[in-house]
Amino acid sequence: DAMVIQNPRYQVTQFGKPVTLSCSQTLNHNVMYWYQQKSSQAPKLLFHYYDKDFNNEADTPDNFQSRRPNTSFCFLDIRSPGLGDAAMYLCATSRDRGIQDGYTFGSGTRLTVV
Amino acid sequence: GESVGLHLPTLSVQEGDNSIINCAYSNSASDYFIWYKQESGKGPQFIIDIRSNMDKRQGQRVTVLLNKTVKHLSLQIAATQPGDSAVYFCAENNDYKLSFGAGTTVTVRA
Repeated sequence: DAMVIQNPRYQVTQFGKPVTLSCSQTLNHNVMYWYQQKSSQAPKLLFHYYDKDFNNEADTPDNFQSRRPNTSFCFLDIRSPGLGDAAMYLCATSRDRGIQDGYTFGSGTRLTVV
Repeated sequence: GESVGLHLPTLSVQEGDNSIINCAYSNSASDYFIWYKQESGKGPQFIIDIRSNMDKRQGQRVTVLLNKTVKHLSLQIAATQPGDSAVYFCAENNDYKLSFGAGTTVTVRA
């Protein structure tokens, strides 16, 4: 049973055209994370939500935004995708802060910018 | 078995041999560590974790060792199988955020 679901699996967007990636979870976890993973690199944290509290990483470009309308869903918005934004985008959840019981990852959305 | 003393980006191992993958983490305050396996086109898959108050933990065919003195983590895979071919990442948890180290691509030779 999929617990963290990312849609779509593959997304092609035009240079400069806004795009939204979605993530949903059935775990009722408080924390949701978005990671960017470029080819042959490690995943890099962009931001996370602790409940409704948004936490941006210091080096995340302003071009990247996120929304969490409810516990189950979290969206990644790229306002003006550039060629350098082509990557795998991974969503992850954890039950709560300070709880060492792991993170659950989705299968990712691979974004291509043309 | 085959092993690397320092982190290397690739590891080639004969099927049936043991593998050792090394990782150096950056933050001495990190309190929880996880090894992930990532196959092509997929998200990271949990393998095994260890808390900072432990120095060894064993799972099925896998063992994680933690050396906090030198901030070093290793993953040992026993009797490596073709299905173990993937990229392996260590990750450290600090301040409820997970940071990934550089991956190691493991290729299993038949």
